[in-house]
Amino acid sequence: ETGVTQSPTHLIKTRGQQVTLRCSSQSGHNTVSWYQQALGQGPQFIFQYYREEENGRGNFPPRFSGLQFPNYSSELNVNALELDDSALYLCASSGKRERNEQFFGPGTRLTVL
Amino acid sequence: RKEVEQDPGPFNVPEGATVAFNCTYSNSASQSFFWYRQDCRKEPKLLMSVYSSGNEDGRFTAQLNRASQYISLLIRDSKLSDSATYLCVVNRSGGSYIPTFGRGTSLIVHP
Repeated sequence: ETGVTQSPTHLIKTRGQQVTLRCSSQSGHNTVSWYQQALGQGPQFIFQYYREEENGRGNFPPRFSGLQFPNYSSELNVNALELDDSALYLCASSGKRERNEQFFGPGTRLTVL
Repeated sequence: RKEVEQDPGPFNVPEGATVAFNCTYSNSASQSFFWYRQDCRKEPKLLMSVYSSGNEDGRFTAQLNRASQYISLLIRDSKLSDSATYLCVVNRSGGSYIPTFGRGTSLIVHP
């Protein structure tokens, strides 16, 4: 069974740029969620995709957008990067929609200068 | 008031000790509950689900109190390898699941 993978592992961008992060879900999982985790905080829910449709969204502005593909892999796009966007971005997949037990990838550490 | 609250700690305990963490939640529509463990600079890993009747997995016991809106995690016979941050997660449902993580409780088990 292949676990959740994310790419890239690290990324450095400058303010105002755009970034795309990628996630491959665990085999057999059709739901993907994205989180932002700042240092010393718990993960903050950005949004969730279920069968290619957005299935829930946290309190993040529209410049955070996403996609899910037919193979259930997913992308997170962030436009007009701000310094506060520097964080660990985690992707999690789930196959049990009714309970949402999630399995996380290793994350992408984004630094915005 | 935050939707999910945890005491950040750190809880500093000797090996063999029993330690308990609580996590309170404010939304009574919350549907499912979990504990995750996160090691330093790693991703969270699912530790256990929390069921209404309470559940146990080896040295770990999870409880849910819906009336008082909190979940708890009890770790018996602490090991050095239990040192980590423990995150509680509360899912609420309204057509879609919105998971909310607490900020985590740091546990340090020392020899």
